[in-house]
Amino acid sequence: ETGVTQTPRHLVMGMTNKKSLKCEQHLGHNAMYWYKQSAKKPLELMFVYSLEERVENNSVPSRFSPECPNSSHLFLHLHTLQPEDSALYLCASSRPGQILYGYTFGSGTRLTVV
Amino acid sequence: SQELEQSPQSLIVQEGKNLTINCTSSKTLYGLYWYKQKYGEGLIFLMMLQKGGEEKSHEKITAKLDEKKQQSSLHITASQPSHAGIYLCGADDNNDMRFGAGTRLTVKP
Repeated sequence: ETGVTQTPRHLVMGMTNKKSLKCEQHLGHNAMYWYKQSAKKPLELMFVYSLEERVENNSVPSRFSPECPNSSHLFLHLHTLQPEDSALYLCASSRPGQILYGYTFGSGTRLTVV
Repeated sequence: SQELEQSPQSLIVQEGKNLTINCTSSKTLYGLYWYKQKYGEGLIFLMMLQKGGEEKSHEKITAKLDEKKQQSSLHITASQPSHAGIYLCGADDNNDMRFGAGTRLTVKP
């Protein structure tokens, strides 16, 4: 256990469904991130939240909608996804300024879009 | 943005053998991180290097950052099946972390 918890671990959804991924940390970190990991590609940074405000959105399609209600929780709302969105979605957290340990990652949600 | 290239893409070694994984950056590295990932799992932090010429070790894994701070290597001595997984290098890029594509390591018993 890293201290960053992601649920669910696995998710299968149809292209017309709406679902949400959840990430929770109680490490006292105040920055949280969503990454997408597809086969044989580098991790893609999707969203960055710092002090609950979105600071970066790397041209992610609007069918992905993040939400950060407080510094401990981060959601990724999904709707009308495409099969190419199937991937491992990783959440991470950090405390800016404490660079020695980098980011702390959750175990990920394996998403399959059918 | 920072590009990180890892080599090799995959590696199969016999248990007990030594191996090296490389990470090369298109820009000067101000913080280079090594992570390990088991298939379908999250990333586990291994080491962080900051200074040119720096070297750190943890158990049988040693990471180095070259003097020019554009290349890092990860060396595993006497590999074991428990070392199997995907090794990723990451770099601090304007307060975000970017990653290489990873090196998949298989250790044959």
